[in-house]
Amino acid sequence: DQQVKQNSPSLSVQEGRISILNCDYTNSMFDYFLWYKKYPAEGPTFLISISSIKDKNEDGRFTVFLNKSAKHLSLHIVPSQPGDSAVYFCAASYTGGFKTIFGAGTRLFVKA
Amino acid sequence: ETGVTQSPTHLIKTRGQQVTLRCSSQSGHNTVSWYQQALGQGPQFIFQYYREEENGRGNFPPRFSGLQFPNYSSELNVNALELDDSALYLCASSLEGGSSYEQYFGPGTRLTVT
Repeated sequence: DQQVKQNSPSLSVQEGRISILNCDYTNSMFDYFLWYKKYPAEGPTFLISISSIKDKNEDGRFTVFLNKSAKHLSLHIVPSQPGDSAVYFCAASYTGGFKTIFGAGTRLFVKA
Repeated sequence: ETGVTQSPTHLIKTRGQQVTLRCSSQSGHNTVSWYQQALGQGPQFIFQYYREEENGRGNFPPRFSGLQFPNYSSELNVNALELDDSALYLCASSLEGGSSYEQYFGPGTRLTVT
């Protein structure tokens, strides 16, 4: 039962260009969404989040967009840098719940 | 401020054996969640401990059990190991229970069952 789906296993982008990572979810109860970044041999680190009462949240080069009607969110990285090369996980949870559901991840390669 | 630490880093066990994995929470955090990450998949929630009590559980059998200690460190125990238990086990601490708080992950323990 994949409630959070990241359909692109990998993405390759040129340095300086925009990276767009996509995520779809199926559970209408989800009201809090997060993106985590994971480097090899390290645990995931929190990147940015968005509540369902918003449709956009920005933090420096990272922006997350939420489209509730489409049950879709995306992470934009502008401009992309080689240090952004990592696996990005989309995750979701709901108020009053106890667990966070993760997608399978998208591996981003930023070429210099 | 000390981050989340896990031990051991790697572990090899034989099918049918038992294993204990350990996690030390970030300073000031009273909640620990454990996840299993199989190859090519995202982390899957096993359970969460809040102030030494199990706060919620994912779709894992009872042979996966845990403990949280008064200092909020935690253990994950897996009995009767199966080949499919081979995975990266991650623990994450957060400020409070539930799922609305940012989680801080440790580097994980890579378990191989042969």
